[in-house]
Parts: sequence; C-alpha cells; structure tokens
Amino acid sequence: GNSVTQMEGPVTLSEEAFLTINCTYTATGYPSLFWYVQYPGEGLQLLLKATKADDKGSNKGFEATYRKETTSFHLEKGSVQVSDSAVYFCALRYNTDKLIFGTGTRLQVFP
Amino acid sequence: DVKVTQSSRYLVKRTGEKVFLECVQDMDHENMFWYRQDPGLGLRLIYFSYDVKMKEKGDIPEGYSVSREKKERFSLILESASTNQTSMYLCASSARTGNGSPLHFGNGTRLTVT
Repeated sequence: GNSVTQMEGPVTLSEEAFLTINCTYTATGYPSLFWYVQYPGEGLQLLLKATKADDKGSNKGFEATYRKETTSFHLEKGSVQVSDSAVYFCALRYNTDKLIFGTGTRLQVFP
Repeated sequence: DVKVTQSSRYLVKRTGEKVFLECVQDMDHENMFWYRQDPGLGLRLIYFSYDVKMKEKGDIPEGYSVSREKKERFSLILESASTNQTSMYLCASSARTGNGSPLHFGNGTRLTVT
C-alpha cells in the first residue's frame, strides 16, 4: 500500500545551519507530495507541494524536489531560524482525496 | 483565506460519556476529514466525508462515528469515550480538484478522557 517514511527527530540545529529532513514514499503510480508544518499549539499548515516528478516546491526559504527515481521528497533550507522550530510532516496523495502522513519530525533551532 | 474552526481547544470528559467534536469550514469545500494525532504515530485518519451525508471510514474508525448534515459542518462523535481516546483531534477540509488540492486544518481539539 501507499506509505510515507520520514526521519525520526528531534533534529537540533543552531541558527543559520543547513537543514535536511528526509522523506521517502511508497506508492503505485504518480502521487502528489506535500510538506506540512505544525507550530506549537496550532494545526497543520501547508508548507509546499509538488505534483509531478522533478517538480520543486518552495516556500519561506524551504525547498523539496520530487525525485521519482529515489522515491524521495526531502525538505531543505539553507539557513534556519529559531522561528522555524516546529514539527514537519511529509505526506502523499494518490488517486484519492485522502492524505497519508508520515510520523512527523520535530525541529528545534537554538540561537 | 480558508478558515477551519474547531469548536473547542481543550475538552475533559469522563469515561463512558458521549462526546461531540464540531468542525466548520467557510470555503464551500466538498471534502472534510477527522484525524487524530498521537506522539510517534503522526496523523491517522478516522473518517472522511466527500459530500453531505456521505462518509467513508479511515484507518481507525472504531469507537467513532461522524455526521455531515450540512456542507460546512462535520462532527466527530465518540459514542462512549474511553481513556485510549485521549488525543489531539484535527479537522481538515479540501476542495475536490484532484491530487494537488491541499488540506486546510483547524487548530485542533485536545481531548482528555479520565
């Protein structure tokens, strides 16, 4: 079946460090891929998405490229800020209106 | 901006009580969802509705039911609350426009069953 695997956290970084959060997926066909972010005390917000292979989603300095050959959608940011501290969820949607989420990765950024 | 509103941020209920969690969206979305979020398990889909009076079971429907009498409102019902239903509950909505449509989430209801 379809599934999403993301790296366990927490990921702890100093401000201005480079961030990578790994996400791989299993799906038949061509899913759409998403990254959502959850700030403390809030619901999830869409961060970025990609709907076909080689697409790059980007927002707020974050990027992720849909790699069909490696079935991956890793999230990256060149220079993190304390305000980026949150939980990040990778998700996929294929041939349905439902999203399948990974387990989430907590990011902690220290000054 | 899409707004998804969950009626309560925090609820404390007793074992055996019937519990109603309410969710309203203001963007005329066809789809609405209820997820529960637990540490280490991510988000798990409880129920999904793709139209008024239509519903579909998600991955963990046991112990829950739903109601969608109007397009903008989707209710989650715990018929007889149990302590293992203590969790964060998230409501979401989306347009039915293909694989690329994002979900829009409410801020969640943290339910504690004692």
